[in-house]
Amino acid sequence: AQSVTQLGSHVSVSEGALVLLRCNYSSSVPPYLFWYVQYPNQGLQLLLKYTTGATLVKGINGFEAEFKKSETSFHLTKPSAHMSDAAEYFCAVSEGGGYNKLIFGAGTRLAVHP
Amino acid sequence: EPEVTQTPSHQVTQMGQEVILRCVPISNHLYFYWYRQILGQKVEFLVSFYNNEISEKSEIFDDQFSVERPDGSNFTLKIRSTKLEDSAMYFCASYRGSGELFFGEGSRLTVL
Repeated sequence: AQSVTQLGSHVSVSEGALVLLRCNYSSSVPPYLFWYVQYPNQGLQLLLKYTTGATLVKGINGFEAEFKKSETSFHLTKPSAHMSDAAEYFCAVSEGGGYNKLIFGAGTRLAVHP
Repeated sequence: EPEVTQTPSHQVTQMGQEVILRCVPISNHLYFYWYRQILGQKVEFLVSFYNNEISEKSEIFDDQFSVERPDGSNFTLKIRSTKLEDSAMYFCASYRGSGELFFGEGSRLTVL
């Protein structure tokens, strides 16, 4: 069965610093992988996704993630944090490929301080 | 930009009452989903719906839950007799079959 592990439930960075949010997955089939962001009292917004092809994927708001099959990882990065990046970030894997039934990680709350 | 809309945004109910959460998926989408997020916990899959029937459901989705698409536009989640542990944010999502999966902004259910 598919699963997702996000290392670090809370990450705190300074404004302008590198953001690194870790995600490891397990999947018995080639995975579709996703990062979603959730701002307080709002829904889930897709940041980026990996389906096939290029392993480095770029998303909105300057985020990117790299699919590393050998490490079963899909870490999210952003070179320079902005105060507006403070939110909860969820990594997800689809079960069986496609978009059918996403399995989410527990989430990482990102705090950005001046 | 197309969006999935959910109503109500927040509902408070007494334990044992029936609740219906409504979703209007994007108009040309074919696959519909409900997820829930208990406060402070991960987002969990509840059910997927395609071609007017449930295609998959999780162990959470027991006999107290049902879904239907009564009029070709709305997609509803009904909880027959709410329990305290049903308090959560419920997210609807829809998918055309290609492209993106879109989530609504959620309906917060509080059971007292």
